[in-house]
Amino acid sequence: NAGVTQTPKFQVLKTGQSMTLQCAQDMNHNSMYWYRQDPGMGLRLIYYSASEGTTDKGEVPNGYNVSRLNKREFSLRLESAAPSQTSVYFCASRDRGGYTDTQYFGPGTRLTVL
Amino acid sequence: GQQVMQIPQYQHVQEGEDFTTYCNSSTTLSNIQWYKQRPGGHPVFLIQLVKSGEVKKQKRLTFQFGEAKKNSSLHITATQTTDVGTYFCALATDSWGKFQFGAGTQVVVTP
Repeated sequence: NAGVTQTPKFQVLKTGQSMTLQCAQDMNHNSMYWYRQDPGMGLRLIYYSASEGTTDKGEVPNGYNVSRLNKREFSLRLESAAPSQTSVYFCASRDRGGYTDTQYFGPGTRLTVL
Repeated sequence: GQQVMQIPQYQHVQEGEDFTTYCNSSTTLSNIQWYKQRPGGHPVFLIQLVKSGEVKKQKRLTFQFGEAKKNSSLHITATQTTDVGTYFCALATDSWGKFQFGAGTQVVVTP
C-alpha cells in the first residue's frame, strides 16, 4: 500500500502559468481533500470530494479547480497562478466508517509562484 | 461559521517538562481529532475523541474532550525531543465531509 501519493513534490511557476497537482490513494476511501498550508495559518481546506462524482468548495477555493477523476484520483488545478498561491499543498483521503474517522495525508507539493 | 481556536500558537519546552495545548470551539462538536506534523513532514493522525469528558492516553500523551464537547486538550508529560512538531486539532463542520483544522501549536524542545 502506497497510501496517498502526490506529484510533483516541488514546483516553481511564473505568474500566469497553469498546472495540475495530482493525488491518488489506494485505500478505497470515498472522501478526498485538498488543503494548503501557509506559515502560522494551519491547514486550510480548498476543495473536497465526499464521494466519486462530487466536489465541494472549502474555505479558500478561489483560483482553484478540482476534478475527481475516479475513486482513486483527485486533482487540483491552478489555471493562472499568482504569487499568493505560493504554499505547501496537501492531499488527504478520509477513512470514515463505524467508529473510525481518520484522514491520511500525502507528502505534499511545495509550490512557489514567482 | 464554526470557529476553532488553538492555544498557545507556540510552545517552547525544556526536555523533561510537561505542557498542555488547548483547542476551543465556538459550537458543540460531535467529535474532535488530533494530528501531529513533524518539521518538513505531513500531518499524521493521532486520535479521535467522541464522548463528552472522554480521556484517552497514548504513552506520554493524554487527550481530553470537554464535558460540554466544546473544547479539547492534549497534555504531554516528560517531553522528549521526539515530541517536536506542530499539533493540530481538527473537526468536521458538516455531515457531508467538510473539515476544519486549528492553526496548530508549534512545539520546540530544548535538550
